Amino acid sequence: EAGVTQSPTHLIKTRGQQATLRCSPISGHTSVYWYQQALGLGLQFLLWYDEGEERNRGNFPPRFSGRQFPNYSSELNVNALELEDSALYLCASSPLLGRETQYFGPGTRLLVL
Amino acid sequence: AQSVTQLGSHVSVSEGALVLLRCNYSSSVPPYLFWYVQYPNQGLQLLLKYTTGATLVKGINGFEAEFKKSETSFHLTKPSAHMSDAAEYFCAVATGQGGKLIFGQGTELSVKP
Repeated sequence: EAGVTQSPTHLIKTRGQQATLRCSPISGHTSVYWYQQALGLGLQFLLWYDEGEERNRGNFPPRFSGRQFPNYSSELNVNALELEDSALYLCASSPLLGRETQYFGPGTRLLVL
Repeated sequence: AQSVTQLGSHVSVSEGALVLLRCNYSSSVPPYLFWYVQYPNQGLQLLLKYTTGATLVKGINGFEAEFKKSETSFHLTKPSAHMSDAAEYFCAVATGQGGKLIFGQGTELSVKP
């Protein structure tokens, strides 16, 4: 069974640009979560999508947004990039039954110059 | 509100020695508890989880953890460390089906030959 996949693996942008990160959940999983792992800040919850709807978001500004597609894959968009957005962005998915358990992808490392 | 505290940001053990990584949680409702491992430049891998039932939980790679409600703890142990166990370990708590995980700050485990 294939795990959670994320693309790209690395992304380099400059301040003010927009970044788009993509995530494909494990087959059969309906929920997708996004987390930010920034140096010195630990793992912070960003967004939760389920059945195409945003269910919860963490304490991040509105320039962090995303969506979930009918095939349950997801996109995270970060607008007006700032230097402090440099981080590893992790996507996780969980099944409808057993939704409390999240399975993580390898992450996208975003560097903002 | 929920929170997780991992005691010790760095733990060093000798190969073959006992591994003990400490995790204490705070939750106003019965928690779901998780341990994840992160190898360098990789995502998070689920080691084990406690949801309901037996309080001693066995995971992958010889790790286990015991849920102690009276002590609000979920410490991770392994009887004999291996060089390949060197990684960062994260304890996390969730309160229910779906939604965010709250992570501890992580403990970096070093294994000396």
